[in-house]
Amino acid sequence: DAGITQSPRHKVTETGTPVTLRCHQTENHRYMYWYRQDPGHGLRLIHYSYGVKDTDKGEVSDGYSVSRSKTEDFLLTLESATSSQTSVYFCAIRPHKVDTEAFFGQGTRLTVV
Amino acid sequence: AQTVTQSQPEMSVQEAETVTLSCTYDTSENNYYLFWYKQPPSRQMILVIRQEAYKQQNATENRFSVNFQKAAKSFSLKISDSQLGDTAMYFCAFMKHSTGANSKLTFGKGITLSVRP
Repeated sequence: DAGITQSPRHKVTETGTPVTLRCHQTENHRYMYWYRQDPGHGLRLIHYSYGVKDTDKGEVSDGYSVSRSKTEDFLLTLESATSSQTSVYFCAIRPHKVDTEAFFGQGTRLTVV
Repeated sequence: AQTVTQSQPEMSVQEAETVTLSCTYDTSENNYYLFWYKQPPSRQMILVIRQEAYKQQNATENRFSVNFQKAAKSFSLKISDSQLGDTAMYFCAFMKHSTGANSKLTFGKGITLSVRP
């Protein structure tokens, strides 16, 4: 266990509602990432963070925002959920050292109906 | 921008046999890292093996080994003595040797491997 907790693990929400997914780490790692996994697309990067209040967009950031006000928490917000955002969302963390791999959370299955 | 291509969506192998999963990537970087992750039905992402681009020697981890061809930008995973527990989706991933804003993983689309008893 790499000390990563995603919450909730499962969520069903209605189109147009706001949704926030939380990633919490106990490792004090610098880098945190949000990915979405969809069949036929693998894992695609939504947003990532390289420090407190330092975030950047990934390849599929439209419709998503993030915040990182403290090292241990990285929040992903869907301001107005759409059916195309139905997916499995993974959080990952990585230490500052350049030669280390990323460690992943258990994933959150989000269904937008 | 970096891209990672896994062109085979599915493969199947008999238990105890050897299978090779293919991965190619495109980058203009010289220093980088390559990874293979395994995702069993539990959905957990598990690191299988990693390779540093500056190392010529291919990485090995027990039954798992890679064939890293830097000039060809190829990074295949060989699984020897396949076991039923190897049934999973496998992802190839690329990461630049970088700190700060450019430190991110790029994944291929994955390949589903089934090990037949």
